[in-house]
Amino acid sequence: KAGVTQTPRYLIKTRGQQVTLSCSPISGHRSVSWYQQTPGQGLQFLFEYFSETQRNKGNFPGRFSGRQFSNSRSEMNVSTLELGDSALYLCASSPRTSGVAADTQYFGPGTRLTVL
Amino acid sequence: AQSVTQLDSHVSVSEGTPVLLRCNYSSSYSPSLFWYVQHPNKGLQLLLKYTSAATLVKGINGFEAEFKKSETSFHLTKPSAHMSDAAEYFCVVLNSNSGYALNFGKGTSLLVTP
Repeated sequence: KAGVTQTPRYLIKTRGQQVTLSCSPISGHRSVSWYQQTPGQGLQFLFEYFSETQRNKGNFPGRFSGRQFSNSRSEMNVSTLELGDSALYLCASSPRTSGVAADTQYFGPGTRLTVL
Repeated sequence: AQSVTQLDSHVSVSEGTPVLLRCNYSSSYSPSLFWYVQHPNKGLQLLLKYTSAATLVKGINGFEAEFKKSETSFHLTKPSAHMSDAAEYFCVVLNSNSGYALNFGKGTSLLVTP
């Protein structure tokens, strides 16, 4: 099976702009989670989508949003970019179904966002 | 909430010598624990996963980890380091208070010298 794919791999934006990142999960996986990785804060959970619904959200401002489509592909949007949003954004997919306990998350290569 | 602490931010070993990366966890019940590895400019790759079936977990590339409840530890080991093992390693716990969110440790950078 093909792994998790993320596009684009690299992005450069300026402050105040908005950006949309895309994630295609492993075929058959219905859960998609997003994480932000920075040198200072490490890896932090942004949100999780399952069956087109946001199931969980981390402690990030409302400028960070996402959605999931019927084919499980997910997009993440960041509006009004700030310098501190520069990070590696990682997407992970999991086959989990509703009500089932822990399952493994498989990560994509990430999108490197630089905000100037 | 569940959390993990990686006790070393950097570990340096010689090629062919054993590797030990230390991780302690905090959880009020039996947690789901993982080790992931990240090579430079790459995503995260799952090394192994503990979900209470067995305390000694074998992973890929010769890595294994032992769950010790009495010590609240989940240390990662490998008998013989290879140059290709040089990477960042993350101990991770599933935060069951927040659905499927993973809580990551700060990471341990493994350096392997010839």
